[in-house]
Amino acid sequence: AQKITQTQPGMFVQEKEAVTLDCTYDTSDPSYGLFWYKQPSSGEMIFLIYQGSYDQQNATEGRYSLNFQKARKSANLVISASQLGDSAMYFCAMREWSGNQFYFGTGTSLTVIP
Amino acid sequence: EPEVTQTPSHQVTQMGQEVILRCVPISNHLYFYWYRQILGQKVEFLVSFYNNEISEKSEIFDDQFSVERPDGSNFTLKIRSTKLEDSAMYFCAVGRNTEAFFGQGTRLTVV
Repeated sequence: AQKITQTQPGMFVQEKEAVTLDCTYDTSDPSYGLFWYKQPSSGEMIFLIYQGSYDQQNATEGRYSLNFQKARKSANLVISASQLGDSAMYFCAMREWSGNQFYFGTGTSLTVIP
Repeated sequence: EPEVTQTPSHQVTQMGQEVILRCVPISNHLYFYWYRQILGQKVEFLVSFYNNEISEKSEIFDDQFSVERPDGSNFTLKIRSTKLEDSAMYFCAVGRNTEAFFGQGTRLTVV
């Protein structure tokens, strides 16, 4: 089974609107971390936000927030007030603390329309 | 200043040659990783390094690959006898428990 599933290969959003990028995960490890990364066309991987499996509150970092629903094993990224510079690939990743690697989803390509 | 810097940013090499990709973290990190991303495809795990030894590696990370921290600072990935299919973006990542920062990547082109 896939550890991380991102079902939206491409998404469009109007500038200044909010958008949700979906991510579901699969693990039997009680301790894990969930990460979101942004990859612009230049190729680098930019860390956006982290959510730990024991965190009670949803993580927020500026315009990014993570909608963490543990029972559903989902960790959706919400970007508020989209900007043109948000156009990029977005990857969801998970790290199980029992292991030592990150599992990545296939990514979602976000295009912000002016 | 980025948490980790990779050099070179782009490397072109002839098939069969050896390449060394370098990664320099700027502060104390516990974990080191190498990932690769073939153009337009998903990010693939290669190897993780903790406490100066390999802690986990994928099926991709065969005898053609090796990693080391020669001076306790730089973290290198060596690819011996490169093949055309090794062409990809190679990312170094460093981290502590709740953070993982990726370098800007090295684009390797094997011709």
